[in-house]
This record gives sequence, C-alpha cells and structure tokens, in this order.
Amino acid sequence: DTGVSQDPRHKITKRGQNVTFRCDPISEHNRLYWYRQTLGQGPEFLTYFQNEAQLEKSRLLSDRFSAERPKGSFSTLEIQRTEQGDSAMYLCASSRLAVRYEQYFGPGTRLTVT
Amino acid sequence: QQQVKQSPQSLIVQKGGISIINCAYENTAFDYFPWYQQFPGKGPALLIAIRPDVSEKKEGRFTISFNKSAKQFSLHIMDSQPGDSATYFCAAMPTSGTYKYIFGTGTRLKVLA
Repeated sequence: DTGVSQDPRHKITKRGQNVTFRCDPISEHNRLYWYRQTLGQGPEFLTYFQNEAQLEKSRLLSDRFSAERPKGSFSTLEIQRTEQGDSAMYLCASSRLAVRYEQYFGPGTRLTVT
Repeated sequence: QQQVKQSPQSLIVQKGGISIINCAYENTAFDYFPWYQQFPGKGPALLIAIRPDVSEKKEGRFTISFNKSAKQFSLHIMDSQPGDSATYFCAAMPTSGTYKYIFGTGTRLKVLA
C-alpha cells in the first residue's frame, strides 16, 4: 500500500509529557499537511509543508506544538507538556505540487492525554 | 471567520433511498469543494469534488450539486447501501493562496438494510 502512513496509531500519555508523531506521505507528494480532529467535529488545519519549508501555521498551533519535515519526506509533529485538551485524532495528509486541490489523508494518530 | 456549515448532523436512510447532505459557506471565496467519507477509526477518504465553474458533477452513485449564487453545495448518494454508512464531511479551499481545507462538522449517515 502506498498511501499516507502514520505512526503510532494510538498514543496514551499523562498530562505534562511530550509526544511525537510521525507521518510518511505518499511517495513524491511535495505537500504535507497536519490536521486535528476532535470527536464529532471535522478536521481542523494545523500546518503544512511544501518540501521541507513550513509555509503556513494555524493559530491552533500553540508554542507547545512543533512540526518538522527535515528532508522533505516524512514529517514529525511534537507536542510538549501535553494537556487534556490536546486529546484528539491527529491527521496527516499529502498532495502533489502540480495538483493543488486533492489531499489524501492517513489513518491518523489517536492521542489520549490522561 | 471562514466557515462551512453542514447539515444534517445525522441522517438515517433506507437501503435504496437517496441520501442528501447539504453545506453552505459564507463571507469568503472558495475555489474547490471536496467531499470526504470517513469510517470509524480511519482517516477521511476523498470521495468526489467540484470546482465552482461547474454546477453538477456525478461519479457513479455520488453527485455534487453546486449553487454558486446561494453559496451552497450538496452531496447526493443514489441507491444508498449499508456500506455507505459512515460520516461525510464537506470541505472548501479558499482562493487566498492557502492550501488548507476548511471542513464542515460532518454528517453521520446510517443506511438501514
């Protein structure tokens, strides 16, 4: 399967701990996006990369959140000092540079902060 | 605030019936309107999408109708099947040079066998 993959699929952590998620986009997709989805809601945009450059960040992305895509391939999303309000599904998507509109989502990482 | 409003929140349809989900946007220009299907525990999957220069697009049992003047668009699922039971999200991409989607709040569809 050559779709978007995310790891881990589930993460349970205690409040105050740091967590890191990984996303591997579809091969040759230049753009990579992170969204957050809470229960019963649609995904909310967090940030996106074009190759290794982070080009847009949402106001939802507080100082505790940081995302990287060091070599323009996989990306990581780190949350420091997690809070219970960070509990959500973190979704990664990717798209081709030449096709502005079609974003393909991974299965997500379900974060539970206790 | 850019928003996409989606209704209904939930929908129950008999097998073979037509499922209709509506979305409306306001206050800004969008130039791409996809619909995503999401099963429990899975990521959203792109179902069908439309550009605002087209009033209707059909792919198999799925049809998007787009009313630019009313700023509304809808998804019609013809001959609905139990396997269509999922949550459906409409979305829109602004024309302002960003590449983010703005999603609706979702419609949970249940198709009864």
